[in-house]
Amino acid sequence: GAGVSQTPSNKVTEKGKYVELRCDPISGHTALYWYRQSLGQGPEFLIYFQGTGAADDSGLPNDRFFAVRPEGSVSTLKIQRTERGDSAVYLCASSLTRGETQYFGPGTRLLVL
Amino acid sequence: AQRVTQPEKLLSVFKGAPVELKCNYSYSGSPELFWYVQYSRQRLQLLLRHISRESIKGFTADLNKGETSFHLKKPFAQEEDSAMYYCALSAVSGNTPLVFGKGTRLSVIA
Repeated sequence: GAGVSQTPSNKVTEKGKYVELRCDPISGHTALYWYRQSLGQGPEFLIYFQGTGAADDSGLPNDRFFAVRPEGSVSTLKIQRTERGDSAVYLCASSLTRGETQYFGPGTRLLVL
Repeated sequence: AQRVTQPEKLLSVFKGAPVELKCNYSYSGSPELFWYVQYSRQRLQLLLRHISRESIKGFTADLNKGETSFHLKKPFAQEEDSAMYYCALSAVSGNTPLVFGKGTRLSVIA
């Protein structure tokens, strides 16, 4: 079946703009995760959804970052007033439920100029 | 706090030579350890998790709680093993996020 998909694959924006990144998890997976991977680093946890609710958002760096998953499937990561330091690859993963194997998407490469 | 350390950024070995990718962790609870791999132009994927005690593509990893290590080993490296490898940790309960190391790039030379 189809794996986790993410759109867009690349996004270039200007400092101060708003961006939305989309994640389509594997069908039937209730758990969804967002990570951020900066150059030379491993993925860093941002937020975790179980169903529609954000069960753990402790990794969000500040209040410019927000994520939703209104119907318990597709999720959108929203970044307001982007800064150059937000440039990174944003990864989404899903699992059948929490604690099960996480399957990663290809990522969205965000570049803030 | 949870922390995963992969001391080598890059590891180069000859084809057929043994491979050991090092991973040390810091965690006060009961950890579950994972190795993830990312081949060129592919997405991150799970290689193995210590709870499964499996050997995948000839790789094994043993959790050593005394040394807080989870090194990845393979007796004979193959060119197709060249990739980026990430060690990761979470609580056994699965109720904490995955914490990743910075990764080690393995290059297998023919």
